[in-house]
Amino acid sequence: GIQVEQSPPDLILQEGANSTLRCNFSDSVNNLQWFHQNPWGQLINLFYIPSGTKQNGRLSATTVATERYSLLYISSSQTTDSGVYFCAVPDNTDKLIFGTGTRLQVFP
Amino acid sequence: NAGVTQTPKFQVLKTGQSMTLQCAQDMNHNSMYWYRQDPGMGLRLIYYSASEGTTDKGEVPNGYNVSRLNKREFSLRLESAAPSQTSVYFCASSHGTSGNNEQFFGPGTRLTVL
Repeated sequence: GIQVEQSPPDLILQEGANSTLRCNFSDSVNNLQWFHQNPWGQLINLFYIPSGTKQNGRLSATTVATERYSLLYISSSQTTDSGVYFCAVPDNTDKLIFGTGTRLQVFP
Repeated sequence: NAGVTQTPKFQVLKTGQSMTLQCAQDMNHNSMYWYRQDPGMGLRLIYYSASEGTTDKGEVPNGYNVSRLNKREFSLRLESAAPSQTSVYFCASSHGTSGNNEQFFGPGTRLTVL
């Protein structure tokens, strides 16, 4: 089945810093989702991005489907950005396969 | 528009007890899903329902049953709970059509089995 790998596994930043999170997947996909799981456990949809680039405030994402990776950019990080970031892609029956996540801690 | 709702939010069971987790969505989605998340890990699919009246096994279905009660509701039942089922359970839904399959998640149910 399709494999999803995320890097780095952990990231520690000071408030105001920028970061890039990476998601690699082993097979071609027709969509990709990025989620933020906040410290209370809630899963928040960030991007639904099969290809190209999307931006939402301080966050943006780029998926290069032909090269099987996606990047999530966080600019001017804030303490509220802390949590775990997951990417997920559908398998050949449209069920989501999740990566193991990047744990981000932002300190003031 | 509440999105995906789940009840209960927390539950503690003793080994061997049974319970049903409830999930409902108000987005007129066709597909619904149940996942579990163990500490420090990503989500794993337990069961899913591509449309009303159908259910299929996911990656980790053993020890669980599901019912797609109607288009809105999808329940997960543990017949005889085991400590290995201690986890956070998430329900999700999506349109389920090719080209528009973004999944939306409920707030989760934290289950502890003693």
